[in-house]
Amino acid sequence: DGGITQSPKYLFRKEGQNVTLSCEQNLNHDAMYWYRQDPGQGLRLIYYSQIVNDFQKGDIAEGYSVSREKKESFPLTVTSAQKNPTAFYLCASSPSQDTQYFGPGTRLTVL
Amino acid sequence: DQQVKQNSPSLSVQEGRISILNCDYTNSMFDYFLWYKKYPAEGPTFLISISSIKDKNEDGRFTVFLNKSAKHLSLHIVPSQPGDSAVYFCAASTGTASKLTFGTGTRLQVTL
Repeated sequence: DGGITQSPKYLFRKEGQNVTLSCEQNLNHDAMYWYRQDPGQGLRLIYYSQIVNDFQKGDIAEGYSVSREKKESFPLTVTSAQKNPTAFYLCASSPSQDTQYFGPGTRLTVL
Repeated sequence: DQQVKQNSPSLSVQEGRISILNCDYTNSMFDYFLWYKKYPAEGPTFLISISSIKDKNEDGRFTVFLNKSAKHLSLHIVPSQPGDSAVYFCAASTGTASKLTFGTGTRLQVTL
């Protein structure tokens, strides 16, 4: 089955710890994206990557880091510098000039 | 600065009737618009898109209308079904779907 997978579905971390969220796609899409959603708000872009080994900051990149070593993988690290990390995180991918397709999301809760 | 606005946080419609969801934008550089549907704890699902060279795009029960002069788009769902109950997001970009700006969403409830 082609698609985007995110793991885990639910993630808990203690304050001050870094945590990495996984995103894998087998759609052969060049572009991949990370968003966060907070209650009552739209999706806000954290980082995006148009091609392997290249990525750009989105609107709210502070406290996050990413890598794009393989076309199919775009992991997001939420660092201890992120002030309000509790949120629903969504990964998406896109063919070169088309819509974005989203994974099922990871809910991160900081305890 | 909210460049894409969905001013109605919620909407309730009876089954079989028309649902109309609205979206306004402020950035005149936006020329590609999309609608997504989202269930709780799931990722958004793409519904329909429209380029600024068109003023209407139709796909089954879903039609999107674009009024460029008013910087307004709307999604019509006819007839509405209970399974349409979800949060609907509009999104906008310049040129392609490479970088999307999302609205805050409208929760649609279709009642029996």
